[in-house]
Amino acid sequence: QKEVEQNSGPLSVPEGAIASLNCTYSDRGSQSFFWYRQYSGKSPELIMSIYSNGDKEDGRFTAQLNKASQYVSLLIRDSQPSDSATYLCAVFLYSGAGSYQLTFGKGTKLSVIP
Amino acid sequence: DTGVTQSPTHLIKTRGQQVTLRCSPISGHKSVSWYQQVLGQGPQFIFQYYEKEERGRGNFPDRFSARQFPNYSSELNVNALLLGDSALYLCASSLGQGGSPLHFGNGTRLTVT
Repeated sequence: QKEVEQNSGPLSVPEGAIASLNCTYSDRGSQSFFWYRQYSGKSPELIMSIYSNGDKEDGRFTAQLNKASQYVSLLIRDSQPSDSATYLCAVFLYSGAGSYQLTFGKGTKLSVIP
Repeated sequence: DTGVTQSPTHLIKTRGQQVTLRCSPISGHKSVSWYQQVLGQGPQFIFQYYEKEERGRGNFPDRFSARQFPNYSSELNVNALLLGDSALYLCASSLGQGGSPLHFGNGTRLTVT
């Protein structure tokens, strides 16, 4: 079973702290990895993409990828109450016949406490 | 640029009825994917269409069908609705068939009573 696993949380952090969100995936051949943010009642919004091992920074967000460990993470520095949302990890997993499906984890709910 | 547009926003149907959801991708995007999201879960893949051909299908019954038109817009049809079909239906578009990030529309909230 091809899967993307996330800790569902909730994860609570104080305002200004670093929030760390983690994700593991089952397909060793996966090459494309994404983090989406979803506010309650809204649709997912792409916030980060990463394709190579290592870190990728964009503002307060850093995505980290370790293909050998099949692990991808998202760090949010200086967390703000507006960061309170569900964060979805998404990975392209091979589905056969040359096709890949973007497969989502269940999401981690983050609450930033003022 | 206009993002992915979906219609309708909300829909209430009765068990056994049929529903059609519509999606227009971002201009220049040739791939459209459909996802179902129930409360507390991540989006579940239903279909992907690229250049008007089905390129992927998730683990959904044959009551679910879709198509893509020459202008790359897409429709998702669900027949013989069940209570369990109540969910947020998300359409996403991307430039290519695989590897490119998906950009989601605002979704259609379907309630089956």
